[in-house]
Amino acid sequence: EPEVTQTPSHQVTQMGQEVILRCVPISNHLYFYWYRQILGQKVEFLVSFYNNEISEKSEIFDDQFSVERPDGSNFTLKIRSTKLEDSAMYFCASRDSGANVLTFGAGSRLTVL
Amino acid sequence: GNSVTQMEGPVTLSEEAFLTINCTYTATGYPSLFWYVQYPGEGLQLLLKATKADDKGSNKGFEATYRKETTSFHLEKGSVQVSDSAVYFCALIRYNNNDMRFGAGTRLTVKP
Repeated sequence: EPEVTQTPSHQVTQMGQEVILRCVPISNHLYFYWYRQILGQKVEFLVSFYNNEISEKSEIFDDQFSVERPDGSNFTLKIRSTKLEDSAMYFCASRDSGANVLTFGAGSRLTVL
Repeated sequence: GNSVTQMEGPVTLSEEAFLTINCTYTATGYPSLFWYVQYPGEGLQLLLKATKADDKGSNKGFEATYRKETTSFHLEKGSVQVSDSAVYFCALIRYNNNDMRFGAGTRLTVKP
């Protein structure tokens, strides 16, 4: 079964450092997403990406965040200068154009100290 | 805006008990509705879905019916198992919209 792969599974960083979380979506999918889940809380939408540009973003996705599809397979989330409150599980998801089901990766846990 | 409200947890049941987790939604148009499950330490997995009114999604003994008149998509299972212990998320995606919105999640613990 095709799956969405995320790396790293866990990253610990100091406040103010830049972090890049990586995702490999399912190969024939065209829509890509990042979600965030602060420990024990709800899953929050960050951003969606289609045709090499952001299609929607939430109020959480401020100037500290950026996304990129640097090649044909990776989809990255960059946090420029991490804050304590960025500590969360970050989930990548993808879907193809014919379906409305998102397939999620296992997540990347970010801990900001 | 689009939103999902689901039953506050946690829910604790004994094995073989009946499960209901309530979910209601607010959306313009005709959203598709989903239940995702998150087992301990894992990501989100699609459990079931329904794309139009009166559709019933089902999987692994779980069922949910898309009720437009009550804007609800309640999750049910007739007899839960210890292995069903997880967090359950109700979600919606609106047609021609790009983001999926989740409820707050309901933690289910099933005791032997």
